[in-house]
Amino acid sequence: DADVTQTPRNRITKTGKRIMLECSQTKGHDRMYWYRQDPGLGLRLIYYSFDVKDINKGEISDGYSVSRQAQAKFSLSLESAIPNQTALYFCATSDFRGHEQYFGPGTRLTVT
Amino acid sequence: AQKITQTQPGMFVQEKEAVTLDCTYDTSDQSYGLFWYKQPSSGEMIFLIYQGSYDEQNATEGRYSLNFQKARKSANLVISASQLGDSAMYFCAMREGPTYSSASKIIFGSGTRLSIRP
Repeated sequence: DADVTQTPRNRITKTGKRIMLECSQTKGHDRMYWYRQDPGLGLRLIYYSFDVKDINKGEISDGYSVSRQAQAKFSLSLESAIPNQTALYFCATSDFRGHEQYFGPGTRLTVT
Repeated sequence: AQKITQTQPGMFVQEKEAVTLDCTYDTSDQSYGLFWYKQPSSGEMIFLIYQGSYDEQNATEGRYSLNFQKARKSANLVISASQLGDSAMYFCAMREGPTYSSASKIIFGSGTRLSIRP
């Protein structure tokens, strides 16, 4: 079984809808991250969390919110989706050393 | 200002040749880490190699090595004896600050697309 899972893997939604992307990990890591990937822009950090009580904004947090429900779960919400949030979204985890991140398979989100 | 710069959007290399992917970074922190990831066409992100700012030796992992030049703020990835399976996007990334700090986030460059010719 994969160490970092993301659901759904693909989603098409309409402008204005609320959507939640979920991430679960079995690595026992405290640190979890959400990134989005757009063509030509690499990965940009949306939010990250170093433990259940620690949530931090990344480079592009506007229009997004997160919830760290447990050590193993970190959800990303788009309260009112807009077309320029169409992207590939990755969840990642790392241990306290931060020497390596383990990525989920990604969620391809399309907002029409 | 960009923190991580990858100046080669795309590269073509003959199979079995060595290839160097460039990465420069910008930070005022003394403690930081540098990473390289590979993203094949299937989309997953695969960790390749890590270099800590205080590591004196260049990191190596199999055919991958990281040419760390601290004074020049560069962290180039060297792939020896390239293979067809090395064709992918390659991302350089940096963790600013010490690992124990909650301000310590990891940011990525825009990537280099490497294509290996048979």
